Amino acid sequence: AQSVTQLGSHVSVSEGALVLLRCNYSSSVPPYLFWYVQYPNQGLQLLLKYTSAATLVKGINGFEAEFKKSETSFHLTKPSAHMSDAAEYFCAVSRSGGNEKLTFGTGTRLTIIP
Amino acid sequence: KAGVTQTPRYLIKTRGQQVTLSCSPISGHRSVSWYQQTPGQGLQFLFEYFSETQRNKGNFPGRFSGRQFSNSRSEMNVSTLELGDSALYLCASSLAGYSNQPQHFGDGTRLSIL
Repeated sequence: AQSVTQLGSHVSVSEGALVLLRCNYSSSVPPYLFWYVQYPNQGLQLLLKYTSAATLVKGINGFEAEFKKSETSFHLTKPSAHMSDAAEYFCAVSRSGGNEKLTFGTGTRLTIIP
Repeated sequence: KAGVTQTPRYLIKTRGQQVTLSCSPISGHRSVSWYQQTPGQGLQFLFEYFSETQRNKGNFPGRFSGRQFSNSRSEMNVSTLELGDSALYLCASSLAGYSNQPQHFGDGTRLSIL
C-alpha cells in the first residue's frame, strides 16, 4: 500500500521568501508522485508530477519538486513566495503501472505574510 | 477546452434522504474518479469508472454507488444519508486512468446533511 506524509499542517512564510513544503512517501514499488493546490471553494489543480523521468520536476507558477529515492521524499519548493500562493497544498502518490488510485496526504495550508 | 464540470455546486439534504451528484469529464477523458473531502478524514478515494465499468473501489459502505454513461459522464449516488456524509465530493477525470496520467478535478459538490 502507498501512503504520504506531509510534515506541517500549517506553514507561514513572508512574501518573497523561500517556500518549502515537505512530503515523504511510502511505497513498495516505484511510485508516481503529484502535488496539487486547492484554493478556497475550488477543486484541486495539478502543480507538477513525477513519473520516473527527470528527478527534478518543474511545475506551474514557479514551483518545483525533487524526487529523492534515498530519502523517500518529494518536497515542493518555490524560490520567492507571492501573496497568490496562499492556498492548501496536497501531495499524492499512486503506484506505477496499471490504473491505481491517488492516495493523498493530509495537506499543508500555506499562509503568506505581507 | 472545458474542464471537469460538477453539478450541483451545493446541496442540502436531511438524514435518511438520498442524493445524486453529477460529473461531466473533460472531452476525450474516459476515466472518472470520485473523492470525498472532509476536515477530519481528508481526501479519500471512493471509486473509479472506465468505459462504464467500475474499475477501482475505495473503502466506503454500499450506500455509496456510482455509474458511468457511454459519453463518460458519471453520477454518484448516496442513499440513506447520515450526518457524517457532509463533505465536499470531488470528481476527477483522466484520459484512461493510468496511474501516471494526471487527474483533473472539478470544483466539487458541497453536500450538507441536516
